[in-house]
Amino acid sequence: AQTVTQSQPEMSVQEAETVTLSCTYDTSESNYYLFWYKQPPSRQMILVIRQEAYKQQNATENRFSVNFQKAAKSFSLKISDSQLGDTAMYFCAFMTPRGNQFYFGTGTSLTVIP
Amino acid sequence: DGGITQSPKYLFRKEGQNVTLSCEQNLNHDAMYWYRQDPGQGLRLIYYSQIVNDFQKGDIAEGYSVSREKKESFPLTVTSAQKNPTAFYLCASSLVSAGQGGEKLFFGSGTQLSVL
Repeated sequence: AQTVTQSQPEMSVQEAETVTLSCTYDTSESNYYLFWYKQPPSRQMILVIRQEAYKQQNATENRFSVNFQKAAKSFSLKISDSQLGDTAMYFCAFMTPRGNQFYFGTGTSLTVIP
Repeated sequence: DGGITQSPKYLFRKEGQNVTLSCEQNLNHDAMYWYRQDPGQGLRLIYYSQIVNDFQKGDIAEGYSVSREKKESFPLTVTSAQKNPTAFYLCASSLVSAGQGGEKLFFGSGTQLSVL
């Protein structure tokens, strides 16, 4: 069974500071994809960043970057220069091509403090 | 613009009533999904479909039913057998083949269902 664990239900960060959200997963698959989705108060799910498991290089998207540790099955999200618009629920997700199913963690609620 | 349309945005169900949530996509995606979101529990898969006229149960399918008669449409019916239907429901879609962009999920804007 595939599981995704986010152990930080809530976090806060000062505007312009850096914050890291943690995520671990469990799988026996060798080929998979990892994602971070953002859900702001509008409740629209927005893809923040994705990582292919076969790529060793960590993905980056502007102020967002990941620390992918495949052996440890860890996939953390770093947000640099935090902005008020980053306030949202963040979900870590895992996808295996076999079965084309996506698995989500329980989310981390991030608040950016002005 | 391509995207996923969910309707209605808010829905109220009376005791013993079946209600249907609509999900339409014009992204030409093969796979469609229904998730339920409850506070503190993340997204849980209800049903998914990878091809027209075929669908599979997810982790919490009891009390729900779906159909996939057209590629663009994947309606979800919440039946009276679902005793705790109050939740936020998200529809999503993706291409099927990974490595060709198929690994990205696109979401609708959701439907909030409440019990009267």
